This record gives sequence, structure tokens and C-alpha cells, in this order.
Amino acid sequence: GAGVSQSPSNKVTEKGKDVELRCDPISGHTALYWYRQSLGQGLEFLIYFQGNSAPDKSGLPSDRFSAERTGGSVSTLTIQRTQQEDSAVYLCASSPGQARGETQYFGPGTRLLVL
Amino acid sequence: TQLLEQSPQFLSIQEGENLTVYCNSSSVFSSLQWYRQEPGEGPVLLVTVVTGGEVKKLKRLTFQFGDARKDSSLHITAAQPGDTGLYLCEHDYKLSFGAGTTVTVRA
Repeated sequence: GAGVSQSPSNKVTEKGKDVELRCDPISGHTALYWYRQSLGQGLEFLIYFQGNSAPDKSGLPSDRFSAERTGGSVSTLTIQRTQQEDSAVYLCASSPGQARGETQYFGPGTRLLVL
Repeated sequence: TQLLEQSPQFLSIQEGENLTVYCNSSSVFSSLQWYRQEPGEGPVLLVTVVTGGEVKKLKRLTFQFGDARKDSSLHITAAQPGDTGLYLCEHDYKLSFGAGTTVTVRA
């Protein structure tokens, strides 16, 4: 079956512009996660959605970052007024169960470069 | 401060050799997951360990979870070039990943 998909695969933008990154989770998965991975680093947790519950936004680095999940499926991560330090790979994952963090299936990521 | 410390940071070995990578924390894990990430792709789950002292085997990969549930190791026997990648451990409830060990297996 289809895995997690993300778009665009690559994005180059100028400092100060807004960007939207999209994640299509595996159908039927209730949990969705966003992470950021900088060059040579591990994954930094950003936000976690579980069903209809209020999302855990504790990992968002600033108020320039926000995310939505519509209809319990597709999610969009928005970065406003991008800065050069926002350059990273943004990874989305989904999982089928209710347990936080279990068995995450990752998409290929969106590579963001802020000039 | 990183919740999870992984070592070594880099490891380069010849095909057929064995290797071990480590994941340590000052906190107790409820459970721990190991992932492998190849360049240009997202991480792929290898295993979840839950019970202190647990040992799980996945073909040539052996995963151990420390008795106190604060550390874990991944041992690869007779490494192959296909084992090349970034190995990440994760505290699943905290959604916290280590920085990873980059493993290169030379043919």
C-alpha cells in the first residue's frame, strides 16, 4: 500500500517568505508527527496529532511555526517569515495506534533551503 | 542537553566485520526504538524494546535493552554494504531521538 508522502520534496525560498509543507499520512493512521532534521543531526520533535485530541505543540521552536491537520488526515506545516536557520529536512510520520510514539512510518521528507 | 546519547558518532568498517553502536540516557526509558535512515529517505523502524534485559534478534542484528532500561545496544554481525546508514534510537513516549551513529560498510 501507499506510504507516507510529503510535498514538495525540495523547497528553496528567500528569507522572510512563508512556506507550507504538506504531509499525506497512511490511510487510517490516527497519529501524525512532524520532525525537523538538520544536517548531521537527529530528529527534533515539532508537533504531534492524535485523533481529535488537541495537538502537542511543545516542540515548535517559535510562533513562526504552526501546523494543522484537516479531517484527521492531511497535515500542513507552515513556517512564516522564514529564517536561514530554518533550513533543514522536515519529516512527517504517521502511526496506526493510540500509543504515543509507537511504530512510526516516515515519509521521505521535504528539504527546505532558506537563502 | 540531549536526552539520548549515541556512540560512536561515526563508524567505518570492512564488509564481514562486526560492529556495535550504543544508546544511553540518564532517564529510564518506558520503551526504546531503533531506526535506520538511508540518505534521502525517512527513518525505518527496526525494532522496539520494552522489557529490561530484553534481547531481540533480527537476522544479523541483535538488540539489547539494559536491565535498568537506561541503555541499549545494537550489534551487527558480518556487516554488509546494505547495512550502511544512520542508526537512530528513540525514546518513543518523549518523541526524542539521539543524534545517531553513521555506519559505513566498505565492500
